[in-house]
Formats: sequence, C-alpha cells, structure tokens
Amino acid sequence: QVQLVQSGPEVQRPGASVTVSCKASGYNFPGYFMHWVRQAPGQGLEWMGIIDPSFGSVTYAPKFQGRVTMTRDTSTNTLYVEVSSLRSDDTAVYYCARDTGIGGGNSADYWGQGTLVSVSS
Amino acid sequence: EILLTQSPGTLSLSPGERATLSCRASQTVSNNYLAWYQQKPGQAPRLLIYSASTRATGIPDRFSGGGSGTDFTLTISRLEPEDFAVYYCQQYGQQYGRSLYTFGQGTKLEIK
Repeated sequence: QVQLVQSGPEVQRPGASVTVSCKASGYNFPGYFMHWVRQAPGQGLEWMGIIDPSFGSVTYAPKFQGRVTMTRDTSTNTLYVEVSSLRSDDTAVYYCARDTGIGGGNSADYWGQGTLVSVSS
Repeated sequence: EILLTQSPGTLSLSPGERATLSCRASQTVSNNYLAWYQQKPGQAPRLLIYSASTRATGIPDRFSGGGSGTDFTLTISRLEPEDFAVYYCQQYGQQYGRSLYTFGQGTKLEIK
C-alpha cells in the first residue's frame, strides 16, 4: 500500500533553516510527481511547489521561489523540502502529497502525516 | 495566478440535511482540473473529488461534484456525523509553461 512517512517535529530559531523529509513506499516512486503543501495553525492549505522525482525538476509557487528548495533521493525514495531564513510565519504543518497526474485530474491522492515546524526565538 | 474563493465560510447544518459548497475561480479552470478535499482536525486532507465531478477511490456516493469553467460545487446529499469537517477546493493550471496549483480558503461544515 502507498505510504508517505514524514520526519518528526522541528523547533527552529528565526533565521535558521529546516529540512523536512518524506519517505515514499508502496508504489513506483519515479512515476508520480510530489507536492509540498503547508498549513499554518488555524489556517488553510498553501501550495508550495511540486517536484518530479524522476528528473528532479521543480516548480515552486511564486511566493516560495528563492527561499524553498525541493530535492529527492531516488536511492531511498525520499523527498526533502528545505526552508531557509525562517520567520515566525513559517510556523506550520508541512505535508508531502502524491500527485495523481492527468489521469487523476492533477490532484493529490495520498498525503503524508504532516510535520510541524515551529519557529520561535 | 488563478484565485479560488469558497463560500460560505461556515455552513451550519444538521445530520441528514443536504450541503452545497461553492468554489469560484478568478479565471477559467483548464480542463476542469478542480478537486475537493476534506480535512478533519489533526488529520491530513483527504481527496474526495477530482476533475470537478469524479469521485476518488472509496468515497461514498453521497458526495458529488459539479460545475465547469469558473463555478464549481460540492454537494453532500445527506449529511452523516463524520462529514462535519473543513472542505477545500484546489485547481491546476499553467502559467508561462509552469504548472501552478492553488487552494481555496476552505469552508467549515459544522453541526447545527
């Protein structure tokens, strides 16, 4: 069965960087793009970007261009998102979510459990 | 960038009633690539509907999606207690050859 298992909660200082991981299993890893989505406390979902695990190419949402880096390791079927120059408003739960492709209407059918990143001095 | 506006912000209904949620796009959603998700407190979102009207695997048939172009709806025909949650719409589009996705701000469906 498809599983996306994310790394544990993080507490970071403003100005630091954080990396969240997402280990995929149960399906053909290179065959499905992966989204990163975040959700601030009590707020809605915010799309950050999407990565092609096969080639490593990434499209970032305009808001996150330059401060967010998405990568993958095909040897371990793991994806990563790094957020640099952290601010208090980066405090959020970060999710990875598998893209369905055109056959699924370009939606996200499987989601990780979420990783809480807290930014506080 | 396409913006999605959901209404109402909060919908108060009783079990057994019919719920209709709206999602309006600022521009035409290409190929009706509009999805709906359900999210309960402390949980990840769950895909309900994709391509505006296709139910995802395992989703009960009381959930249905409709609409096209810029106006879309999610209808829950007869509310069950487990349906009270927050619902988000999401669209896929392209801008300058880049894939872009956006979410609506959500509709909270609460028990009256």
